[in-house]
Amino acid sequence: QSVLTQPPSASGTPGQRVTISCSGSSSNIGSNYVYWYQQLPGTAPKLLISRNNQRPSGVPDRFSGSKSGTSGFLAISGLRSEDEADYYCAAWDDSLSGRGVFGGGTKLTVL
Amino acid sequence: QVQLVESGGGVVQPGRSLRLSCAASGFTFSTYAMHWVRQAPGKGLEWVAVTSSDEKTKYYADSVKGRFTIYRDNSKNTLYLHMNSLRAEDTAVYYCARAEGFKLDVWGKGTTVTVSS
Repeated sequence: QSVLTQPPSASGTPGQRVTISCSGSSSNIGSNYVYWYQQLPGTAPKLLISRNNQRPSGVPDRFSGSKSGTSGFLAISGLRSEDEADYYCAAWDDSLSGRGVFGGGTKLTVL
Repeated sequence: QVQLVESGGGVVQPGRSLRLSCAASGFTFSTYAMHWVRQAPGKGLEWVAVTSSDEKTKYYADSVKGRFTIYRDNSKNTLYLHMNSLRAEDTAVYYCARAEGFKLDVWGKGTTVTVSS
């Protein structure tokens, strides 16, 4: 059971917009930044969105992040086949003297 | 280029110990906090531990607290994870990652640890 809750799966057709949610609590998302990571099959995770809504250099502007209260959101517009991957949200949690927490991951399928 | 390379994984019996290493290059290692994150086969990411740049602050996941120790040698640009009393549930790919806060912006390719008799 992950501290951050994500839907296990999401899907869309090429060109569509998909949104993935990440639900947390006041001790993590409610008081700290949300980060999003993309993991392509067989590879290491890659930072996708930093500090709720910042795209690192090289990340297409099709990817965007937002935060509202204790939830974070990742939106992917203009869906492409190469976006098929696992997506993880993450945040620092201030409870229990401090720890990092990840969501359980959302497998995105491009139909 | 900026790079992290993990090593030290392998097959180990339950109850035994193992030390993982993460060699950093291409950036000023001594100025960054560093994390270990693991991924069990077919499962999601699990945060393991973090050390500040000067080792003054360290945090651990409850699942490894008291068994794992994170440390670093800034003179060798290397991060370590010493794992004691290993259990089957510690079987995973272990990644090291460079951090600014909890922004993990550079990841290694991982090293695989299998705990099995």
